[in-house]
Amino acid sequence: GAGVSQSPSNKVTEKGKDVELRCDPISGHTALYWYRQSLGQGLEFLIYFQGNSAPDKSGLPSDRFSAERTGGSVSTLTIQRTQQEDSAVYLCASSLYLGGASTGELFFGEGSRLTVL
Amino acid sequence: SQKIEQNSEALNIQEGKTATLTCNYTNYSPAYLQWYRQDPGRGPVFLLLIRENEKEKRKERLKVTFDTTLKQSLFHITASQPADSATYLCAPLQAGTALIFGKGTTLSVSS
Repeated sequence: GAGVSQSPSNKVTEKGKDVELRCDPISGHTALYWYRQSLGQGLEFLIYFQGNSAPDKSGLPSDRFSAERTGGSVSTLTIQRTQQEDSAVYLCASSLYLGGASTGELFFGEGSRLTVL
Repeated sequence: SQKIEQNSEALNIQEGKTATLTCNYTNYSPAYLQWYRQDPGRGPVFLLLIRENEKEKRKERLKVTFDTTLKQSLFHITASQPADSATYLCAPLQAGTALIFGKGTTLSVSS
């Protein structure tokens, strides 16, 4: 696609339910990132993928959070047993590998806004 | 642990003035540093990248400096306009690691 696509754009769920957030990166981008942004706060790093592997999962807040990437393309972020503090905008970004002429800039999606009641 | 600090307070300036935003980092050895702009309700948008061997980079009204001794980058917007009002994020990038962002500085340009 032309840009990074995220779905759903908005999700309201009840505490304790599981949610899945999807990210379709720009075709050919090898790196894919997930960030979380709470209202009025900065970007909190969650996890990044290089191809299908995740070299750095250090930002995942708890074992209720998991992510996978298949075929070097689509990624899914899953939050199990959601809590109210999980409410935030979840942003996905993709990039070419930094090097050569590439600046490794991240291209962000519009985010998935999650509200846990 | 790695830490990135940006001007914690919002920056308010008059149209036409130069805005200067600061990004300091500790426990990093970045080979690159990126700057992004974020508007309310939108994802960040890439502005500039500066490499460790570059002291200064310019793009139109934007200028970025990178001092690896001071562990600091300065981001300047000259002849600022109300349309420049946004939050600006810095992200030092160390090879082989994830891109982590500072909390950002919110710039407000009044006419």
